[in-house]
Amino acid sequence: DTGVSQDPRHKITKRGQNVTFRCDPISEHNRLYWYRQTLGQGPEFLTYFQNEAQLEKSRLLSDRFSAERPKGSFSTLEIQRTEQGDSAMYLCASSLVSGGDLFSTDTQYFGPGTRLTVL
Amino acid sequence: GDSVTQMEGPVTLSEEAFLTINCTYTATGYPSLFWYVQYPGEGLQLLLKATKADDKGSNKGFEATYRKETTSFHLEKGSVQVSDSAVYFCALSSSGTGNTGKLIFGQGTTLQVKP
Repeated sequence: DTGVSQDPRHKITKRGQNVTFRCDPISEHNRLYWYRQTLGQGPEFLTYFQNEAQLEKSRLLSDRFSAERPKGSFSTLEIQRTEQGDSAMYLCASSLVSGGDLFSTDTQYFGPGTRLTVL
Repeated sequence: GDSVTQMEGPVTLSEEAFLTINCTYTATGYPSLFWYVQYPGEGLQLLLKATKADDKGSNKGFEATYRKETTSFHLEKGSVQVSDSAVYFCALSSSGTGNTGKLIFGQGTTLQVKP
């Protein structure tokens, strides 16, 4: 399977604990996105990377959230001091934008998500 | 800011009925428009897309036409099947110089098809 993978698929944690999620994009995809989806809502953009550079962060991404993509391949999303309001599905997506057209619209392919429950 | 509005669900239809799920958007410039589908227990899958006005996206019997004059991208299917039961999301992505490619989603519409 060469799709986007995410690990873990489910995470239950207690309030105040730190959690880290991993996303492995489709090989050769240069863009990687993180979204958050709460029950009954559409996904909301959190942040994205072009190769290893983090180019935009949403206002939703508080100081407790940090994301990295150190070698331009996999990415991690860490949440420190989790709160009950952080409970959601965290989605990762990747896309390929051609080198000569970095500003074109890309098609994003989503992973299965990591469901976080904060008790 | 940019936004997407979908008709509220759930939408309940009998098999072989005609489907329309309405989607309208607000955006500056000329966004690309998408429909994603989420089957029970699965991740989001791209269903179809259109990148400019009057384009028609189609896939698996579904189609949607990018209507700039009405800022709409309604999803249609002539004859639904039980296997089409899922949550459908309309989304836009701003295009042009400097775009981030981030998707802005509607709230989703649940479709239930009964045999």
